[in-house]
Amino acid sequence: DAGITQSPRYKITETGRQVTLMCHQTWSHSYMFWYRQDLGHGLRLIYYSAAADITDKGEVPDGYVVSRSKTENFPLTLESATRSQTSVYFCASSEYSRYEQYFGPGTRLTVT
Amino acid sequence: DAKTTQPNSMESNEEEPVHLPCNHSTISGTDYIHWYRQLPSQGPEYVIHGLTSNVNNRMASLAIAEDRKSSTLILHRATLRDAAVYYCILRDQGNFNKFYFGSGTKLNVKP
Repeated sequence: DAGITQSPRYKITETGRQVTLMCHQTWSHSYMFWYRQDLGHGLRLIYYSAAADITDKGEVPDGYVVSRSKTENFPLTLESATRSQTSVYFCASSEYSRYEQYFGPGTRLTVT
Repeated sequence: DAKTTQPNSMESNEEEPVHLPCNHSTISGTDYIHWYRQLPSQGPEYVIHGLTSNVNNRMASLAIAEDRKSSTLILHRATLRDAAVYYCILRDQGNFNKFYFGSGTKLNVKP
């Protein structure tokens, strides 16, 4: 199906484990983004990518790693998960930096 | 950083117009005003954006004050499906770190 998808939709992991959240879009949008949403904070930008092999930090990048070897995929890795990383994670894409962003359905991550 | 101020919640009756206000007194000349909404358990959805002039699309209208320090999202006929959290966001197209979602306005639509 066309659009932007995220997997898994729900994930429970333990402190210290590595976790990778996947994001895939079928529009060939150049820009992709990762946000986290916590109560009381709205959405905060973690990392973004302007094109394949080009990534940059957002507002809250610490503890996260991203890569973008293909235009359509933008995985987010938590190298050593902490409880403070319990959150809902949204991936988004857009065709140009100033145009609207299209968001995925989100991944609810719980770190125990 | 430029940020926005919105009421925490608003209520509307179905099929009536809704005016959602947003204050952004520290907006800079390169900041675009974006509105997104988020339905329960879903990702945010783009609604509309503008820079200086009022804007209309199939979902809503955006009225921007002449001094750009405030804006209003207008839903012309609210439906139950419009119940969501509405975010007013300032975006500097050259700097993604100046993209601040804030806590938004929770709109409740009564039948």
